[in-house]
Amino acid sequence: GAGVSQSPRYKVAKRGQDVALRCDPISGHVSLFWYQQALGQGPEFLTYFQNEAQLDKSGLPSDRFFAERPEGSVSTLKIQRTQQEDSAVYLCASSLGGRERERTFGSGTRLTVV
Amino acid sequence: GQNIDQPTEMTATEGAIVQINCTYQTSGFNGLFWYQQHAGEAPTFLSYNVLDGLEEKGRFSSFLSRSKGYSYLLLKELQMKDSASYLCAFHSGGYQKVTFGTGTKLQVIP
Repeated sequence: GAGVSQSPRYKVAKRGQDVALRCDPISGHVSLFWYQQALGQGPEFLTYFQNEAQLDKSGLPSDRFFAERPEGSVSTLKIQRTQQEDSAVYLCASSLGGRERERTFGSGTRLTVV
Repeated sequence: GQNIDQPTEMTATEGAIVQINCTYQTSGFNGLFWYQQHAGEAPTFLSYNVLDGLEEKGRFSSFLSRSKGYSYLLLKELQMKDSASYLCAFHSGGYQKVTFGTGTKLQVIP
């Protein structure tokens, strides 16, 4: 597609449940980023992939968070044993190369943990 | 450490001009971004300043002073559709990491 696609658009999870969030970047984009955006806040960096390599995962808040991009295109962000503080919008962005100005964001997945 | 500040909310009148300020502190500064984000939508790129000075792009202009750690976004001829959050973000370090502010929620009123 023409843009970055994320699914599901909305997800409600019971506390303790595992969730998987999908990101389809723009075709051919090498770099892929995940961000967490709490209500009323700016996006917070979670992790960065260059092709299939996860070059930085310093923003992942705990070992319950795991991201992968096995074939260098689609990426999945998995959250195990969800907790209420995980409720946020999870944004994915991709860029053709290393230049930030080329980064395109998806509309995000709004996760609500109840 | 790293820090970035911008006002939480602003209100302006349709047709007017509004200036949204942003101050930041970081080492290894590479550039300063402004994004627009409508409620429930993806952030969209507005500008990227590397050098000091004003860059104009249509109704939107962005200014940067590296020595003062200061930037502003200037919106002219405000339209109702400009009601959104405006995110200031700096790019620092050797690669991709971008630090966002909390965003300024702009409300344009008739």
